[in-house]
Amino acid sequence: ETGVTQTPRHLVMGMTNKKSLKCEQHLGHNAMYWYKQSAKKPLELMFVYSLEERVENNSVPSRFSPECPNSSHLFLHLHTLQPEDSALYLCASSQGREPYNEQFFGPGTRLTVL
Amino acid sequence: AQSVTQLDSQVPVFEEAPVELRCNYSSSVSVYLFWYVQYPNQGLQLLLKYLSGSTLVESINGFEAEFNKSQTSFHLRKPSVHISDTAEYFCAVSERDSSYKLIFGSGTRLLVRP
Repeated sequence: ETGVTQTPRHLVMGMTNKKSLKCEQHLGHNAMYWYKQSAKKPLELMFVYSLEERVENNSVPSRFSPECPNSSHLFLHLHTLQPEDSALYLCASSQGREPYNEQFFGPGTRLTVL
Repeated sequence: AQSVTQLDSQVPVFEEAPVELRCNYSSSVSVYLFWYVQYPNQGLQLLLKYLSGSTLVESINGFEAEFNKSQTSFHLRKPSVHISDTAEYFCAVSERDSSYKLIFGSGTRLLVRP
């Protein structure tokens, strides 16, 4: 595997389910990100982890719970979601926190909440 | 507050025609500017970026963008498009004194027709 991978690629869940999204980066980076991409809206930054420490939580509802067990893996735990949470969830990584660093994105998980 | 505006949600164009995708930003401080491209069913990839120096930056596949500070713009251009350029293009900005926070526009879908 190379780059940034995400699993699953598609997920359908009910509002009472609990599921997790997984992201893995194979680039040796030390910062990882979760974004939400909804149709016709800008990408919304949800969480940022730098050296496995959460450094940004962008007013995200508590039904989204991130976890970063090491610098290569990032999870997004989901529970009691709402239909408006349906979106493409993108993971990204970068080397360092500097604003000029390129972020490398995974292909995303398409989430549908029924 | 930072924001990025991409006024055109979709730009249809014929193959081999020139194209310009518009991007305007607002910020009270110096910024770095980026264009990312998203091909169908893939994550975002960096196309080009402006950090400093020459205001005209180029990508390896023929795109270019020019930073215009007075007009706070960073429009993307290509003199002759190919079918394979069909994708979603996102303009993004980060402030020089911030860490890891990219602000994205809502995207412009470039549709190249034969």
